[in-house]
Amino acid sequence: DAKTTQPTSMDCAEGRAANLPCNHSTISGNEYVYWYRQIHSQGPQYIIHGLKNNETNEMASLIITEDRKSSTLILPHATLRDTAVYYCIVRDFILSGGYNKLIFGAGTRLAVHP
Amino acid sequence: EPEVTQTPSHQVTQMGQEVILRCVPISNHLYFYWYRQILGQKVEFLVSFYNNEISEKSEIFDDQFSVERPDGSNFTLKIRSTKLEDSAMYFCASSREGDGYTFGSGTRLTVV
Repeated sequence: DAKTTQPTSMDCAEGRAANLPCNHSTISGNEYVYWYRQIHSQGPQYIIHGLKNNETNEMASLIITEDRKSSTLILPHATLRDTAVYYCIVRDFILSGGYNKLIFGAGTRLAVHP
Repeated sequence: EPEVTQTPSHQVTQMGQEVILRCVPISNHLYFYWYRQILGQKVEFLVSFYNNEISEKSEIFDDQFSVERPDGSNFTLKIRSTKLEDSAMYFCASSREGDGYTFGSGTRLTVV
């Protein structure tokens, strides 16, 4: 089962920041937080991941609380094309082989409207 | 940007027939995966493959399923005797160590 809890759905106005929360209160020390999204029935798309520190890339920012029990994905200027299901996934990362599976939950359905 | 390529995009097959779903992972990736998504349901892990062998498989991945990397570039999923409940989107993915996965755009399998 997924180790994360996310709201079922959220709305965001185009051009505004979308802040998607995720609760992962049982996360362990060697587990990373990954975010993916799925637009319609396309393959999931990697967005960002992090362990402890906040991370930023060209798509989004990831804010992880100090106790690591929750995180927030921020899309700074949401567009209509960001309408998708967003998945927060906790993944154990083994240094000797990075092949740990991803366990998808139901995710958050983000609707960006004009 | 490198892509994971899946073919065909849509396959219709009769119940009991064998199907092979094909994937070309990103060339310098070492880890390969198959996932599936039944319409309206979650994305489910099927199998992971590394160093020419299965590294992990789920309960879904029973004896009717098999995977192969026949020629160093393709990665295939074979379903031996399809059932109606195998109808789903099948996603191939690949990764390097420590990176996020890259998923393909999927094959929609319809069993009639």
